[in-house]
Amino acid sequence: EIVLTQSPATLSLSPGERATLSCRASQSIGSYLAWYQQKPGQPPRLLIYDASNRATGIPARFSGSGSGTDFTLTISSLEPEDFAVYYCQQRKTFGQGTRLEIK
Amino acid sequence: EVQLVESGGGLVQPGGSLRLSCAASGFTLSTNWMSWVRQAPGKGLDWVANIKQDGSDKYYVGSVKGRFTISRDNAKNSLFLQMNSLRAEDTAVYYCARERFGSDAFDLWGQGTMVTVSS
Repeated sequence: EIVLTQSPATLSLSPGERATLSCRASQSIGSYLAWYQQKPGQPPRLLIYDASNRATGIPARFSGSGSGTDFTLTISSLEPEDFAVYYCQQRKTFGQGTRLEIK
Repeated sequence: EVQLVESGGGLVQPGGSLRLSCAASGFTLSTNWMSWVRQAPGKGLDWVANIKQDGSDKYYVGSVKGRFTISRDNAKNSLFLQMNSLRAEDTAVYYCARERFGSDAFDLWGQGTMVTVSS
């Protein structure tokens, strides 16, 4: 069973800064990785699928990269609405999440 | 509007049963694999079960095998989760989610329905 490990657990940044979130798989998963954003009281929202493809309606400041075991979600310039919890996912496995909080 | 709406959650005693429903609108449910994903209070996301477009294949996480049954009625654009022998650790918000065609990603989520298992 594949395990996805996200780092850091919490990331404290200011609006306008660049955010880099990591997801590492316990074995190679090709490019089959998705990223989600979840705000309190809301369902997750798909941001990125197949490692680097933005979902419909997702702003260009969100980008995904990586393949094999190491993946990155980058938010180029943080907007106030970007502070949330982010999850990576491959097939039926989710990472434990990274909380992006305002510094 | 393309959406999923869950219903059927509530408070149930340990050992009890609940049936969750998920109504799809704005798209044809029969074109996609569908999943149930749950989130315990303050915790992360856990996949529970999924079902193929025609209902011929179903998969479950180990902790619910033999207790939960996923099903669908494509004619009614609906997805279901029958939950029996409920345990305290099944307490969570249950989301239905659409699997993106040709990908493992979940591209559409419902708002979720809360299931609380407690005496």
